[in-house]
Amino acid sequence: DTGVSQDPRHKITKRGQNVTFRCDPISEHNRLYWYRQTLGQGPEFLTYFQNEAQLEKSRLLSDRFSAERPKGSFSTLEIQRTEQGDSAMYLCASSLSRDSYGYTFGSGTRLTVV
Amino acid sequence: AQSVAQPEDQVNVAEGNPLTVKCTYSVSGNPYLFWYVQYPNRGLQFLLKYITGDNLVKGSYGFEAEFNKSQTSFHLKKPSALVSDSALYFCAVPVSGAGSYQLTFGKGTKLSVIP
Repeated sequence: DTGVSQDPRHKITKRGQNVTFRCDPISEHNRLYWYRQTLGQGPEFLTYFQNEAQLEKSRLLSDRFSAERPKGSFSTLEIQRTEQGDSAMYLCASSLSRDSYGYTFGSGTRLTVV
Repeated sequence: AQSVAQPEDQVNVAEGNPLTVKCTYSVSGNPYLFWYVQYPNRGLQFLLKYITGDNLVKGSYGFEAEFNKSQTSFHLKKPSALVSDSALYFCAVPVSGAGSYQLTFGKGTKLSVIP
């Protein structure tokens, strides 16, 4: 296992289209996070899973956003009816319960909405 | 609310010189503090953390950070900068009371090491 994998690395989409991103965490990590990073800013928390349960969602996560983690393994983040303001880097991170804040981040998916 | 501030958007330093990237914090209670580095088009990589104990924390790639309670600072330092240290650096602090163990990050400081 070489770390947290995210797919795709880059996505360009037209405004109004739906997009889905995938994150494969480190296999033994039971916690999974999604963060969003816009230009010139630090990452901002979007949502958190412990195993398959989505336990917390940020107010940043509007109704157009949905995340899943079936079977507590990989996770998907879907954005419906994309807007230009959704353009950002979407980062996934995973960690073990016994290592609070011991995140391993993926390389991210850069979304550009045109 | 827990927060961190990085007062410098950019820091330039000559190769071989010491570097400092500044971070100040505002937290209630004993702080947990983190530094991450982000290379171009990559995710964040953990550098070091302060939980408790020695005020000087050593981390990856020769970096260290000094926790100063009286100045509420947690500055990142390295005795001799390398060109390969050029990257974005983020200071972070846990969100208070969040069972999700989420972090709140500063805006980042771009470090440029000049050959």
